[in-house]
Amino acid sequence: DAKTTQPNSMESNEEEPVHLPCNHSTISGTDYIHWYRQLPSQGPEYVIHGLTSNVNNRMASLAIAEDRKSSTLILHRATLRDAAVYYCILRVRGGTSYGKLTFGQGTILTVHP
Amino acid sequence: DAGVTQSPTHLIKTRGQQVTLRCSPKSGHDTVSWYQQALGQGPQFIFQYYEEEERQRGNFPDRFSGHQFPNYSSELNVNALLLGDSALYLCASSLAGLPGPTDTQYFGPGTRLTVL
Repeated sequence: DAKTTQPNSMESNEEEPVHLPCNHSTISGTDYIHWYRQLPSQGPEYVIHGLTSNVNNRMASLAIAEDRKSSTLILHRATLRDAAVYYCILRVRGGTSYGKLTFGQGTILTVHP
Repeated sequence: DAGVTQSPTHLIKTRGQQVTLRCSPKSGHDTVSWYQQALGQGPQFIFQYYEEEERQRGNFPDRFSGHQFPNYSSELNVNALLLGDSALYLCASSLAGLPGPTDTQYFGPGTRLTVL
């Protein structure tokens, strides 16, 4: 499986934008980029995913580099509830890797009031 | 919609014992995946069940086994417990007759297993 690299931790202030980076230099052409987050004492929850184009939903935006070797999850206005571990995950189409999520260490996001 | 539910919430066992964890998927979902999350680590994929069969398996020994019932609920069984099996066990469900990389997995709150 292609690997992702994320910073161990990041900090933000409430109501400010947060940009969470992810490097995936070995991504293949059909790999989707998924983001999940895990709030304290909860299971992970889906945030957003994309393939080539930037994506927006009610939770966040996903900016994908033109060469697809990196991506950035954008929280437009961080709230205290956004404090969580954020995981960048590549989903492989086909082969034997479909279905499973391969989590790394993720980025611990701390949001200050 | 109750979402994904897991039972029990917490469990304490001793080395060598066996344990069964249970998962009910989100309404309408037909696929269940199990993950193990050690403290401070990301979840690790154990296996996935679809149509009552194990479809995919991660790098876990045969002591870890599972089952899926006709109503899509699932059990995770771990035999001969080791201290290293202490972890949060997460169940995730999805709707994926033919899963592709766009399917979303919904996770339950997990079962915290402590092996003494």
